[in-house]
Amino acid sequence: DTGVSQDPRHKITKRGQNVTFRCDPISEHNRLYWYRQTLGQGPEFLTYFQNEAQLEKSRLLSDRFSAERPKGSFSTLEIQRTEQGDSAMYLCASSPTERGNGNTIYFGEGSWLTVV
Amino acid sequence: LAKTTQPISMDSYEGQEVNITCSHNNIATNDYITWYQQFPSQGPRFIIQGYKTKVTNEVASLFIPADRKSSTLSLPRVSLSDTAVYYCLVVHGSGNTGKLIFGQGTTLQVKP
Repeated sequence: DTGVSQDPRHKITKRGQNVTFRCDPISEHNRLYWYRQTLGQGPEFLTYFQNEAQLEKSRLLSDRFSAERPKGSFSTLEIQRTEQGDSAMYLCASSPTERGNGNTIYFGEGSWLTVV
Repeated sequence: LAKTTQPISMDSYEGQEVNITCSHNNIATNDYITWYQQFPSQGPRFIIQGYKTKVTNEVASLFIPADRKSSTLSLPRVSLSDTAVYYCLVVHGSGNTGKLIFGQGTTLQVKP
């Protein structure tokens, strides 16, 4: 049984460059989430997909950020024109459709981004 | 979603029982209390979830009083490998999107 997989695990990029992260959720999980986490803080919600539909986006997700889940399976998070403030760990998570008892959400190990 | 308050940090020694209390005064009727654990450079990992009274699994116990305005995560006989950040969250029951709102969590340092 594979968990949530993220790639790459680490990325160093120059300011102004574009970066893309990929997330493969647990199979048959139709919900997929992206979070961002900076040092010393808890994860912050960015966006959420139900199958291929992006149903919610945080105000943190500026227009330089775009997330897709074209076939309802894997997802990509692209950051255009990166800034130093984008340096963080980007976490992907997935869950099955809620069962009415509060979802258990499974996180990947994260993709670290350093913008220099 | 109800806001949670928990201590920023705690220290313990190997073999001790650790209790981390979380307050959630504005918890709603259909909300669940959920705890996650996060090791450095890893994503959070689900530990335990409960609605009321007591829940126990192989990792921890969760105690929830009748008014549900607080909860206590209990880790029995901690080891060095339990050093991590522990997050208390309140999650909607039915009809929720699954979005989690994390606070700063409690950093537990277990010493030899």
